Amino acid sequence: DAMVIQNPRYQVTQFGKPVTLSCSQTLNHNVMYWYQQKSSQAPKLLFHYYDKDFNNEADTPDNFQSRRPNTSFCFLDIRSPGLGDAAMYLCATSRPLGSGTQANTDTQYFGPGTRLTVL
Amino acid sequence: GENVEQHPSTLSVQEGDSAVIKCTYSDSASNYFPWYKQELGKGPQLIIDIRSNVGEKKDQRIAVTLNKTAKHFSLHITETQPEDSAVYFCAASMLTGGGNKLTFGTGTQLKVEL
Repeated sequence: DAMVIQNPRYQVTQFGKPVTLSCSQTLNHNVMYWYQQKSSQAPKLLFHYYDKDFNNEADTPDNFQSRRPNTSFCFLDIRSPGLGDAAMYLCATSRPLGSGTQANTDTQYFGPGTRLTVL
Repeated sequence: GENVEQHPSTLSVQEGDSAVIKCTYSDSASNYFPWYKQELGKGPQLIIDIRSNVGEKKDQRIAVTLNKTAKHFSLHITETQPEDSAVYFCAASMLTGGGNKLTFGTGTQLKVEL
């Protein structure tokens, strides 16, 4: 009964070769987030979508882009992966559609992550 | 921006003992404090959260306390079991109605020994 699904679970790419990671959700949430988590570190927010509104963190490199074609899917594009981009990439969702400003709907649900290796 | 500090970084307890993990935050506007458990190779899983309008919340063996004045919050696990072994992250955010930007602590590796 997976609610936040990430594909692939493991991705290997070459230095400089573009790669796309995928996230889908069955929760009907209207906010989707992408986090980067390096080994033994906390997750770090890259950006998030509130519906179709894209919100980039100030320190997210331009090398990272995102697309959200519909409510259920969100993609993370790394245009030219460097060795320093090897990490676990986590997708999360929150806030059911139509919830208005109900505070108890802001819980974030994480997917299992995609482990990216850059050779 | 928000800064969250978490201690200890590693914690070993005997099965059946209690474990306590502490976090402090810097932004007094933060009003939402979740705790996540992350097992190796998996995504974080929410185990409990608390909002700033309450001081304590309990769910079976897990409890969280919040001291808004001191900007501290803590996770308490009682009667620990081997399956509690994992990395635990605290986080803080300000609920804005436009998404929920979590700032995570640095994590605590909990090991429950038989």
